[in-house]
Amino acid sequence: SAVISQKPSRDICQRGTSLTIQCQVDSQVTMMFWYRQQPGQSLTLIATANQGSEATYESGFVIDKFPISRPNLTFSTLTVSNMSPEDSSIYLCSIRDFGTEAFFGQGTRLTVV
Amino acid sequence: AQKITQTQPGMFVQEKEAVTLDCTYDTSDQSYGLFWYKQPSSGEMIFLIYQGSYDEQNATEGRYSLNFQKARKSANLVISASQLGDSAMYFCAMRERANQFYFGTGTSLTVIP
Repeated sequence: SAVISQKPSRDICQRGTSLTIQCQVDSQVTMMFWYRQQPGQSLTLIATANQGSEATYESGFVIDKFPISRPNLTFSTLTVSNMSPEDSSIYLCSIRDFGTEAFFGQGTRLTVV
Repeated sequence: AQKITQTQPGMFVQEKEAVTLDCTYDTSDQSYGLFWYKQPSSGEMIFLIYQGSYDEQNATEGRYSLNFQKARKSANLVISASQLGDSAMYFCAMRERANQFYFGTGTSLTVIP
């Protein structure tokens, strides 16, 4: 299975600032996704990161708040912009290829103070 | 209706005993996949086991097995010979034909020495 490296693993940020999370995969993958997991909750899909074009956002998530880049088939970034305490969550990147499994990065535990 | 239902918010098991974590699903697709993930306190999502809707045999991976009852739409995870390191959140997930992914609300498992 592919190896996924997600950075940073955790961060504490001031409100009003932005944080960019990186997801690097050791092989080319067709699909990459970004999820948010609020404290004590399940995972919620933020968006599908599309290679070479704008990401596809789920209802309730907008590009201005969560800009996503995917310059190639092995790398993506998610930025959490103008952060507030409500953005404190675990953010996870996920990969899926035409096979069956779906794998996740190690997660980024974000605390906004 | 919920796509994935996990009715056990918390479970306790004695070390070395077996435990079953419940998961029911709802789909009208004929082709779908069922997954279980483990999330320790570090936040990463660890893939455990996969069952395809057309697989006739129950999936097994080491101490993990998936009790797949298609007619009842259930996909329970069985962990045999529990270890202290099994203490974590466990999420059941489903992928439908359209490649939509759904997660349950999770079950917190605590292994007691």
